[in-house]
Amino acid sequence: QKEVEQNSGPLSVPEGAIASLNCTYSDRGSQSFFWYRQYSGKSPELIMSIYSNGDKEDGRFTAQLNKASQYVSLLIRDSQPSDSATYLCAVKGNTPLVFGKGTRLSVIA
Amino acid sequence: DTEVTQTPKHLVMGMTNKKSLKCEQHMGHRAMYWYKQKAKKPPELMFVYSYEKLSINESVPSRFSPECPNSSLLNLHLHALQPEDSALYLCASSHPSGIGINQPQHFGDGTRLSIL
Repeated sequence: QKEVEQNSGPLSVPEGAIASLNCTYSDRGSQSFFWYRQYSGKSPELIMSIYSNGDKEDGRFTAQLNKASQYVSLLIRDSQPSDSATYLCAVKGNTPLVFGKGTRLSVIA
Repeated sequence: DTEVTQTPKHLVMGMTNKKSLKCEQHMGHRAMYWYKQKAKKPPELMFVYSYEKLSINESVPSRFSPECPNSSLLNLHLHALQPEDSALYLCASSHPSGIGINQPQHFGDGTRLSIL
């Protein structure tokens, strides 16, 4: 059974701080990694894709991948109240996309 | 606004009704997906179509019947649903899976389904 693990939270950070979201996965054959943001009652929205080890930055978001440790993370710099949402880690290998249960982030103004 | 359009946004139906959910995308994707999502849970894969052919059915009850009329459209036909089927139904699309890197799935806004 392919598994993706996330801390369910809630993770509370003050406005302007860095939020760090973590994800581990069990399938060593995984090659594609995604972060989705989901507001309550809404659909998942793609935030980042990462495929190779290292960091990938897009605006205030940085995704980090370490395949040896089977670990992927998302950093959100200068967190805003509008970042308050559930963040889903999703991993793809040769099987269908597997989602983690999500981490609920709360940014306190 | 998303590039994957789902209709209707909300649907309330009785257990004896027949209804259909619709999904349309114009991103040139040849893989389309149906997911079911309950509150505070991640999306749960139901069906995958690749090049308009059903490639994955995750042991979904037969009261859910998918259909892919062409590369842009995906339907989910509903019949004799149960109250536990109340959920957010999400459609997604992507380039088909291959060996190695896979492009991300893009989700529609979903249909909120309530079974009375």
